[in-house]
Amino acid sequence: GAGVSQTPSNKVTEKGKYVELRCDPISGHTALYWYRQSLGQGPEFLIYFQGTGAADDSGLPNDRFFAVRPEGSVSTLKIQRTERGDSAVYLCASSPKGRGEQFFGPGTRLTVL
Amino acid sequence: EDQVTQSPEALRLQEGESSSLNCSYTVSGLRGLFWYRQDPGKGPEFLFTLYSAGEEKEKERLKATLTKKESFLHITAPKPEDSATYLCAVHAGGTSYGKLTFGQGTILTVHP
Repeated sequence: GAGVSQTPSNKVTEKGKYVELRCDPISGHTALYWYRQSLGQGPEFLIYFQGTGAADDSGLPNDRFFAVRPEGSVSTLKIQRTERGDSAVYLCASSPKGRGEQFFGPGTRLTVL
Repeated sequence: EDQVTQSPEALRLQEGESSSLNCSYTVSGLRGLFWYRQDPGKGPEFLFTLYSAGEEKEKERLKATLTKKESFLHITAPKPEDSATYLCAVHAGGTSYGKLTFGQGTILTVHP
């Protein structure tokens, strides 16, 4: 596809469960980003990958959150022991390099009951 | 700490009524300022990048401008299809190239 894709589009889970959110970036984009957006707020930075490595993970809120990008393309955001406060839209973006404009996917809406 | 503040929080316009949205920023060295449009239930859509004070960019009914402290998104003769949330984000010096700091957005509603 031409744009960033994210799966699933919606995820409902129970408190304490483990979830994985997937992001497929635009083909050829070396940089990949994860953001979290709460209702009525702008996106909040979580982590940035350049290739396979995490260049900046300063936005991850705690050690329950982890992300990987093993082959430098698809990325997975993993959340352990989910809490109700983790409910938000998780956005993924990519860019040709690690600077300049970022192109966003449609997001995954996570609801923790 | 880098801060981005957008105003107003919400703006209602009649079709054809021009106006401006504001984005004020406090950062330690600006590397770039970005405007995005976000429709309900969708991800942000890139509009403009501005890098230095005095720079202007235009696209259809939208024009973005930049000073050393703020950016404006001017909307000329808006149409109902311009209704969306407009987000401003900055890439600040002293942070990684990947990190954008966003404002909370301005919700624009254009009535026919």
